[in-house]
Amino acid sequence: LAKTTQPISMDSYEGQEVNITCSHNNIATNDYITWYQQFPSQGPRFIIQGYKTKVKNEVASLFIPADRKSSTLSLPRVSLSDTAVYYCLVGPRGYNKLIFGAGTRLAVHP
Amino acid sequence: DGGITQSPKYLFRKEGQNVTLSCEQNLNHDAMYWYRQDPGQGLRLIYYSQIVNDFQKGDIAEGYSVSREKKESFPLTVTSAQKNPTAFYLCASSTPGGQGGSRRENEQFFGPGTRLTVL
Repeated sequence: LAKTTQPISMDSYEGQEVNITCSHNNIATNDYITWYQQFPSQGPRFIIQGYKTKVKNEVASLFIPADRKSSTLSLPRVSLSDTAVYYCLVGPRGYNKLIFGAGTRLAVHP
Repeated sequence: DGGITQSPKYLFRKEGQNVTLSCEQNLNHDAMYWYRQDPGQGLRLIYYSQIVNDFQKGDIAEGYSVSREKKESFPLTVTSAQKNPTAFYLCASSTPGGQGGSRRENEQFFGPGTRLTVL
């Protein structure tokens, strides 16, 4: 599986846009990029997934450049409730052994 | 409501005792997983099962055991052989992308977790 690298922590303020970049230099052709969010003392939950270009849903956007060696999770106008750990995962379809690294700890301040 | 339940939410154990954590899902998912999370760390895979009566070791299986006798249930036993069992334990389930209503590849659905403390 491709190794991922993301910042350990980030700080932001309410109303700002937050971009978290994940590096995955060894991504394989059939790998998907998936982001999960985890609140304290809860299980992670799926946020967004993409293969290439841009994906957008009601929660976030995911930008993937043409070489797919990185991806950026964009959270528009964050609020205090977006304070959480965000994990970037890379893996092929049907692969069960997802690798959750340490993630990025996002703190949103008033 | 479909989902995954874990019980108990908090569990205390004396050293040398075995303890079993419950995980039940009514999502009709084939695959189930157990993860361990230590403070400030990511999740580490303990065991996973892709089908009833079959399971595989994850990255940190030593000191743990599982069974998968029913599709809905995947209990985890933390044995006395696990030297440092105090942690947050998470159970998850998944179904292949495009099947069972999920169009997302590799999406796992997590339970609320059990926090185990060894006294």
